[in-house]
Amino acid sequence: QKEVEQDPGPLSVPEGAIVSLNCTYSNSAFQYFMWYRQYSRKGPELLMYTYSSGNKEDGRFTAQVDKSSKYISLFIRDSQPSDSATYLCAMATRSNYQLIWGAGTKLIIKP
Amino acid sequence: NAGVTQTPKFQVLKTGQSMTLQCAQDMNHNSMYWYRQDPGMGLRLIYYSASEGTTDKGEVPNGYNVSRLNKREFSLRLESAAPSQTSVYFCASKSASTWTQYFGPGTRLLVL
Repeated sequence: QKEVEQDPGPLSVPEGAIVSLNCTYSNSAFQYFMWYRQYSRKGPELLMYTYSSGNKEDGRFTAQVDKSSKYISLFIRDSQPSDSATYLCAMATRSNYQLIWGAGTKLIIKP
Repeated sequence: NAGVTQTPKFQVLKTGQSMTLQCAQDMNHNSMYWYRQDPGMGLRLIYYSASEGTTDKGEVPNGYNVSRLNKREFSLRLESAAPSQTSVYFCASKSASTWTQYFGPGTRLLVL
């Protein structure tokens, strides 16, 4: 079993819909949670960063961490065709330099 | 400020050939990483360098070597390329005060 599980999709939704992307994990020592966005043929770029539990909001994006369920989510409101990309979750413990990555979910927003 | 740069952008090799992928960052970051990305498998860490002068194996180091040439540059070498090394390779860097990794544009490698 992988440490971080993420549905690869693709997830296809109409423009304007609310999108929910999720990752589950098994290591209770993870404290740093990140969402990266990767456009086709580009490198990943950081979208959201959360420490420990709770919610964090940035414009149309909300990151949520539920440590009791070992589950993190990224919500996108009023989705746009420009949001079409692969979204990767990544996690780290306090003591390790390495990020542990999900496989990425391909998101398609249809105009 | 170019961030993380990688060369070449695309390369075709024959089985058994060698090559070096170059990576440089201009953000004065201490840590640098090499990943490979294959369909459905996300990013897998090949090697990393926590600071200048140190390198460590990641999840999939077999068939690769690295050199941290100085604080800016971290190269990845394939001594004898195999078709299983066909992939997209990403270099990333990180400062000591954050967990955020910054990625280069990637090198697409095809081994025939």
